[in-house]
Amino acid sequence: GAGVSQTPSNKVTEKGKYVELRCDPISGHTALYWYRQSLGQGPEFLIYFQGTGAADDSGLPNDRFFAVRPEGSVSTLKIQRTERGDSAVYLCASSFAGYTEAFFGQGTRLTVV
Amino acid sequence: QKEVEQNSGPLSVPEGAIASLNCTYSDRVSQSFFWYRQYSGKSPELIMSIYSNGDKEDGRFTAQLNKASQYVSLLIRDSQPSDSATYLCAVKNSGYALNFGKGTSLLVTP
Repeated sequence: GAGVSQTPSNKVTEKGKYVELRCDPISGHTALYWYRQSLGQGPEFLIYFQGTGAADDSGLPNDRFFAVRPEGSVSTLKIQRTERGDSAVYLCASSFAGYTEAFFGQGTRLTVV
Repeated sequence: QKEVEQNSGPLSVPEGAIASLNCTYSDRVSQSFFWYRQYSGKSPELIMSIYSNGDKEDGRFTAQLNKASQYVSLLIRDSQPSDSATYLCAVKNSGYALNFGKGTSLLVTP
């Protein structure tokens, strides 16, 4: 596609459930980023992939969060045992190379009830 | 902790004026610098990138970078009400992770 695509746009889940959020980057982009953004805050870095490998996962808040990018394109962010504090907009971005401009998808709004 | 600092605002400017947005960063080896605009309820939209010291102009926008002072700014000339948004400063460090500030809210009043 022309831009970064994230699915679903909205996700409501019950506390304790498992969720998966998907990101389809711009074709040819090797770098992929996940962020989460709470109301009134800037995007909080979670993880950065270069190709298939996680080059920097220092932003993942705890071991309930995990992300994969098995073929170097689509990425899935997985959250186990969701908590109400996980409610936020999860943003994905991709860039052509590590140092170049990154473009964002429309985000997935996660609500844990 | 690699930090990017911005004044949260709101910064209020009259229509037609110059809006000046500022950002400082802590990682001295940062390589790439970006400004994103974010409208309420929308995702960040890239408006400027700058990689070397000095000024870079694109239409009504000018980005300024001073690596010695670890400072990057964005000037918006002839501000319009449609420029009202949150402006996010982002910095790529040596490992290419992209770190954001909390954003500055800009309000352009007619």
